[in-house]
Amino acid sequence: GAVVSQHPSRVICKSGTSVKIECRSLDFQATTMFWYRQFPKQSLMLMATSNEGSKATYEQGVEKDKFLINHASLTLSTLTVTSAHPEDSSFYICSALPIISGELFFGEGSRLTVL
Amino acid sequence: AQTVTQSQPEMSVQEAETVTLSCTYDTSESDYYLFWYKQPPSRQMILVIRQEAYKQQNATENRFSVNFQKAAKSFSLKISDSQLGDAAMYFCAYRFTGGGNKLTFGTGTQLKVEL
Repeated sequence: GAVVSQHPSRVICKSGTSVKIECRSLDFQATTMFWYRQFPKQSLMLMATSNEGSKATYEQGVEKDKFLINHASLTLSTLTVTSAHPEDSSFYICSALPIISGELFFGEGSRLTVL
Repeated sequence: AQTVTQSQPEMSVQEAETVTLSCTYDTSESDYYLFWYKQPPSRQMILVIRQEAYKQQNATENRFSVNFQKAAKSFSLKISDSQLGDAAMYFCAYRFTGGGNKLTFGTGTQLKVEL
């Protein structure tokens, strides 16, 4: 099946620093990628929709200046958590929608811990 | 707004037995998809089964089948011959075909499989 890779899988950073998480579709092109956030034992909450070559669409309540999303190519979207604080600690998951298919594929997730 | 409800935070099943996970949803749309995803301890989201709303026939994938009741807005998952590897968090999800492929997830059901 199609593969979506996230990097890094785990990251620990100090409060106030910025962290970038990459989401790559390895064997297909995706015009649309989605970023989710998941707290322990909770569901996935959609943060934003990332469209290749255009600005991301953020869900209500998500700070676009804090969670910067860039979808510069058909195989890569990045999420940058700027000026991270401990409350930003969470599990971040991306999913990608292939151009030729309606099926979403998920990355393995990235665990962010802000000290 | 669409909502997805899973009323069972936890379920247990004996190995080789059958278990049914419940899901209800609320939508005013007529054309949509419903999904069950599995999230094992690795946190990788795995698609278990999908159902197109326009299809009356319930979807089946090996030991997994659904009971789709469109009028009642109910979408339950039946797992037959449960195996230890089925232990995971299960999420019901909804996707409106005209909604930009965004998934709305339920709160999840933690399934435990006992020997």
